[in-house]
Amino acid sequence: DAGVTQSPTHLIKTRGQQVTLRCSPKSGHDTVSWYQQALGQGPQFIFQYYEEEERQRGNFPDRFSGHQFPNYSSELNVNALLLGDSALYLCASNKDYTSSYEQYFGPGTRLTVT
Amino acid sequence: GQSLEQPSEVTAVEGAIVQINCTYQTSGFYGLSWYQQHDGGAPTFLSYNALDGLEETGRFSSFLSRSDSYGYLLLQELQMKDSASYFCAVKAGGFKTIFGAGTRLFVKA
Repeated sequence: DAGVTQSPTHLIKTRGQQVTLRCSPKSGHDTVSWYQQALGQGPQFIFQYYEEEERQRGNFPDRFSGHQFPNYSSELNVNALLLGDSALYLCASNKDYTSSYEQYFGPGTRLTVT
Repeated sequence: GQSLEQPSEVTAVEGAIVQINCTYQTSGFYGLSWYQQHDGGAPTFLSYNALDGLEETGRFSSFLSRSDSYGYLLLQELQMKDSASYFCAVKAGGFKTIFGAGTRLFVKA
């Protein structure tokens, strides 16, 4: 049973550039959420996708956008990167939109912006 | 606003019992979840309380009091491998999950 996978594992980008992070949910899951986790902090909710639509967004600017594909995989795009965007980006999936109290997380993508 | 408060650090010895508290202030509260995260790893789900009372899963138990907006995670028979960060999280209406800042648990021999 495949768990949540994310790619790439690590990424180094320059200020102003754009980045795309990818996530495949756990088998049988159709809902994907994205989180940003700074060092020593809890995950911060970016947005959740269900049925290929963004269902809710956290307090993140429009530079952060996403997409969900028919196979439930998802992408997180960040434009005009800032130094403050350096963080661990986590993808989490759950069985359906009603069960987000139990999320399964991927290993994350460590983004460094220089 | 919506917020969760938990202690930043807790230290305990192997074999002991430790309690990690979490108080929350949210709108549209549905339930309280707990996650464990080892350094360099991903958060893993531990437990969920939707109703008042104690939920037990092996060495871990979780408690919720909705009237007090309070919950805790209880870890028994502590092992060195329990050294990690523990997060409480709430599903606070809609599809948004809010996490606390986390409690770092240090287990000493």
